[in-house]
Amino acid sequence: NAGVTQTPKFRVLKTGQSMTLLCAQDMNHEYMYWYRQDPGMGLRLIHYSVGEGTTAKGEVPDGYNVSRLKKQNFLLGLESAAPSQTSVYFCASSKQGTVGELFFGEGSRLTVL
Amino acid sequence: SQQGEEDPQALSIQEGENATMNCSYKTSINNLQWYRQNSGRGLVHLILIRSNEREKHSGRLRVTLDTSKKSSSLLITASRAADTASYFCATEQGGKLQFGAGTQVVVTP
Repeated sequence: NAGVTQTPKFRVLKTGQSMTLLCAQDMNHEYMYWYRQDPGMGLRLIHYSVGEGTTAKGEVPDGYNVSRLKKQNFLLGLESAAPSQTSVYFCASSKQGTVGELFFGEGSRLTVL
Repeated sequence: SQQGEEDPQALSIQEGENATMNCSYKTSINNLQWYRQNSGRGLVHLILIRSNEREKHSGRLRVTLDTSKKSSSLLITASRAADTASYFCATEQGGKLQFGAGTQVVVTP
């Protein structure tokens, strides 16, 4: 049982390049989330989804887009990467949303030069 | 903006000692959750306490919630080297979970 899997684990981009982070969960969860973690700031919610085909903005959505075409996958895209997007990105899923526990992936470390 | 703020930012103790960390928040919540993060890893859920609960236990963990003071505490009893990690509180409000900056706990043998 893999849980929540994020790919890639590490990536280095140049300013202006684009990329997509993939999150896959095998727990049949409805809710999925993308967070970023920066030193001293805890986790901040970028976008989230309450079910297949739905997405919603979180606290820091600018510069990111997401898609949830399949229930098990939640994609986070950066269309034109900026150094301010250097961070560790975490995907999480939940059966009951935030009234229950979130299951996190191992993170994707992104560096934008 | 961060809803929950942990205190202290860092804590160093010896094996066998208890570790206590606190979380304060600003607005009403539906529940409060505690997570652990080992270095370079994802967050792992520890315990959830609802707004109508005052105390919960899970193994060596004890969580209290005081909604009148808008604060929660996490106590780890008889700490072990394996408890070395960062601990985060997260407050649930309106369908979103907001995380604090965390408390770094180091347990030395």
